[in-house]
Amino acid sequence: DIQMTQSPSSLSASVGDRVTITCRASQGITHYLAWFQQKPGKAPKSLIYAASHLQTGVPSRFSGSGSGTDFTLTISSLQPQDFATYYCQQYDAYPFTFGPGTRLDVK
Amino acid sequence: EVQLLESGGDLQQPGGSLRLSCAASGFTFSNYAMNWVRQAPGKGLEWVSGISASDGRAYYADSVKGRFTISRDISRNTLYLHMNSLRAEDTAVYYCAKENDFSQWGQGTPVTVSS
Repeated sequence: DIQMTQSPSSLSASVGDRVTITCRASQGITHYLAWFQQKPGKAPKSLIYAASHLQTGVPSRFSGSGSGTDFTLTISSLQPQDFATYYCQQYDAYPFTFGPGTRLDVK
Repeated sequence: EVQLLESGGDLQQPGGSLRLSCAASGFTFSNYAMNWVRQAPGKGLEWVSGISASDGRAYYADSVKGRFTISRDISRNTLYLHMNSLRAEDTAVYYCAKENDFSQWGQGTPVTVSS
């Protein structure tokens, strides 16, 4: 199985900050990597697919990059509604696997 | 607009069975792979099962293999998860998600396994 790791596991930041979250796969997954945002008590929301493609309706302050084993999610200027938990997920091979999550909270 | 609506979650005793449903609308259901994902209380996301669009082939996490069965009824635009031999560790909110990049999610249905 492909293992996904994320760093950091938690992050404190302020509105307006630039934030980067890293995701690493235990083996190459080309570009089959997605990012999700989840707020407490809510379903996850898809942000990015195929490593760098923004889902329709997602603000352009979100961006994704990477290929192979190393990927990043960047929020260029944090907004109040961005404080949440973020997950990466590989869909290159079954069983699909998620990273453990990065909790982003207010500094 | 894509909509996914899960139902069927309940309190069940260990060893019991449940069938979850996910009613899909707003897209051509037969053209897309579908997946089930769960989230135990206070924990992260865990992929449970998926079904391919082309041939209906099913895939499972090791944690549920042999106990859960994914299926779909294209005429009803509905995805199912048949859950047998339930264990306490199956307690979670269960979500259905569209495509293998999980582009759209339902709101989830809670399953509690407890005596």
